[in-house]
Amino acid sequence: EAGVTQFPSHSVIEKGQTVTLRCDPISGHDNLYWYRRVMGKEIKFLLHFVKESKQDESGMPNNRFLAERTGGTYSTLKVQPAELEDSGVYFCASSQRVRETQYFGPGTRLLVL
Amino acid sequence: GENVEQHPSTLSVQEGDSAVIKCTYSDSASNYFPWYKQELGKGPQLIIDIRSNVGEKKDQRIAVTLNKTAKHFSLHITETQPEDSAVYFCAASPTGNQFYFGTGTSLTVIP
Repeated sequence: EAGVTQFPSHSVIEKGQTVTLRCDPISGHDNLYWYRRVMGKEIKFLLHFVKESKQDESGMPNNRFLAERTGGTYSTLKVQPAELEDSGVYFCASSQRVRETQYFGPGTRLLVL
Repeated sequence: GENVEQHPSTLSVQEGDSAVIKCTYSDSASNYFPWYKQELGKGPQLIIDIRSNVGEKKDQRIAVTLNKTAKHFSLHITETQPEDSAVYFCAASPTGNQFYFGTGTSLTVIP
């Protein structure tokens, strides 16, 4: 069974540019989560999809972040325009049901210069 | 919201010794506590978890204990090996969807 995959693995952009991160969850997992870890700090929840619906987006930092999951399969997280403080590692996770194990992808390392 | 604190931030042990990582949480509604191991260049991988109706769980060299009254839980690794070297994260979840993570413990096992 393939795990959670994320693309790209690394991204370096300049302040003000746009970046789109992609996550492919484990096949059959309706629940998809985005998290972010800023250097040296905890991994913080951003949002949760159930299929194509946003179940909980309480962790999204501001309206420069837009997450979508059209068709309930893969998800994208767009940052527009990117700011310096957006640098960090963005993780995607998926689970079959809520309250079950969340399986994490390898992360996308974003650096905004 | 939930607040998880994790200690220590770094831990070095000799191969074969035990390692203990401790976490505290603030929300008494939290009922699921997973532990993740993150190796360099990889994402966090679940190594063990415990639910609030259980006080202790063991899987080979890894064990987790939970004290709901004191709101703390710990990871115990016995007979450590160099491949145990990684960053370990504890987490707590009151809702089942949001995980609240600690800041991580960088464990180094010295051969």
